[in-house]
Amino acid sequence: EIVLTQSPGTLSLSPGERATLSCRASQSVSSSYLAWYQQKPGQAPRLLIYGASSRATGIPDRFSGSGSGTDFTLTISRLEPEDFAVYYCQQYGSSPPRTFGQGTKVEIK
Amino acid sequence: EVQLLESGGGLVQPGGSLRLSCAASGFTFSSYAMSWVRQAPGKGLEWVSAISGSGGSTYYADSVKGRFTISRDNSKNTLYLQMNSLRAEDTAVYYCAKDQEITIFGVVIIEGWFDPWGQGTLVTVSS
Repeated sequence: EIVLTQSPGTLSLSPGERATLSCRASQSVSSSYLAWYQQKPGQAPRLLIYGASSRATGIPDRFSGSGSGTDFTLTISRLEPEDFAVYYCQQYGSSPPRTFGQGTKVEIK
Repeated sequence: EVQLLESGGGLVQPGGSLRLSCAASGFTFSSYAMSWVRQAPGKGLEWVSAISGSGGSTYYADSVKGRFTISRDNSKNTLYLQMNSLRAEDTAVYYCAKDQEITIFGVVIIEGWFDPWGQGTLVTVSS
């Protein structure tokens, strides 16, 4: 089973700043099969990125994903007020089971 | 618009059973794999189970294997999760999600990302 470790646990930033979230896998993720989700309190997760760098339908271009192998990054170029949330990475290249990281909370500084 | 609506959650005693449902609309339900993903209170996400579009292939997390059964009724556009021998650690919000599947040399492989997700239904296992 591939273990995903996200860092930092919490990121304290101001609106307009750049956010860089990391997701590291315990072994190589096949073909960059990695997704990112956003979850706000009381809501279901929403897909942001799949295939490590492809934006899902309707996702603003301030969200971008990169990486391969064991190291992946989600970047939010300029934080909007609605971007403060918890972000999860998920691998699907070497399953079952598909696994998630433990999450990074992006909070308002 | 794709919509997924879970129901069936509630309070159940340890060792008890519960059946969750997920009503789907806005897409050709039988053409897509579906999954259940859960989230314990204040915790992260855990994939629980997946089923192919035809219902012929099913997969389970080790934590629920032998206790949970996933199924679907394509005539009703509905996904189910039968949960037996429930434990306190099964307490969570259960989400259904549209999944991905491919067929290679006649073998169905359920892989990929989850999109979209339902709003979730809370299962509480407690005496």
